[in-house]
Amino acid sequence: DVKVTQSSRYLVKRTGEKVFLECVQDMDHENMFWYRQDPGLGLRLIYFSYDVKMKEKGDIPEGYSVSREKKERFSLILESASTNQTSMYLCASSTPGTGTYEQYFGPGTRLTVT
Amino acid sequence: AQKITQTQPGMFVQEKEAVTLDCTYDTSDPSYGLFWYKQPSSGEMIFLIYQGSYDQQNATEGRYSLNFQKARKSANLVISASQLGDSAMYFCAMREEGTYKYIFGTGTRLKVLA
Repeated sequence: DVKVTQSSRYLVKRTGEKVFLECVQDMDHENMFWYRQDPGLGLRLIYFSYDVKMKEKGDIPEGYSVSREKKERFSLILESASTNQTSMYLCASSTPGTGTYEQYFGPGTRLTVT
Repeated sequence: AQKITQTQPGMFVQEKEAVTLDCTYDTSDPSYGLFWYKQPSSGEMIFLIYQGSYDQQNATEGRYSLNFQKARKSANLVISASQLGDSAMYFCAMREEGTYKYIFGTGTRLKVLA
């Protein structure tokens, strides 16, 4: 079974703090993604990576950066957390090997910025 | 521009009955994939079913089937014999061939009644 894990289920941070969200997958998937999920807005792509050290901006990259130093790990960084970044963050991975590219998701991190 | 529309924010269904969750999409690419995901209250997104744009048959996976009407650009999810455990948020998503990006709808919250 594909397993995607995220470092925290719940996180509370203060405005201005630097925040690291970690995601690890154990199935050797090439592609990894970070989304944020807000009520009524569905999932919006922040960043994705299709290879180690490669990254592409998604639809809402402002205020975020990412790091992928190893194939299995994809980190999301909030350089200076703000209250409008309070959200649910979901990490996902996929591989062309399945032919359908379905994504496998982690359990999510609910981040509150106060 | 790519877009996924789910017009039903919430739905109720009686246990053991069938239910259809609507999804329409917009794309100018002739090659794409359509996905449905389930998100229980625990938060983890679970892949349910996939339909490729060139697939001749509607996809089926157990109690899930995808009613794919290409000319109408619709990809409705049909759940047969609903169970209490089907109560969850359901998301429709699309990926165009040759891209890594997925577009998600805003979701439909399904409640199965005993």
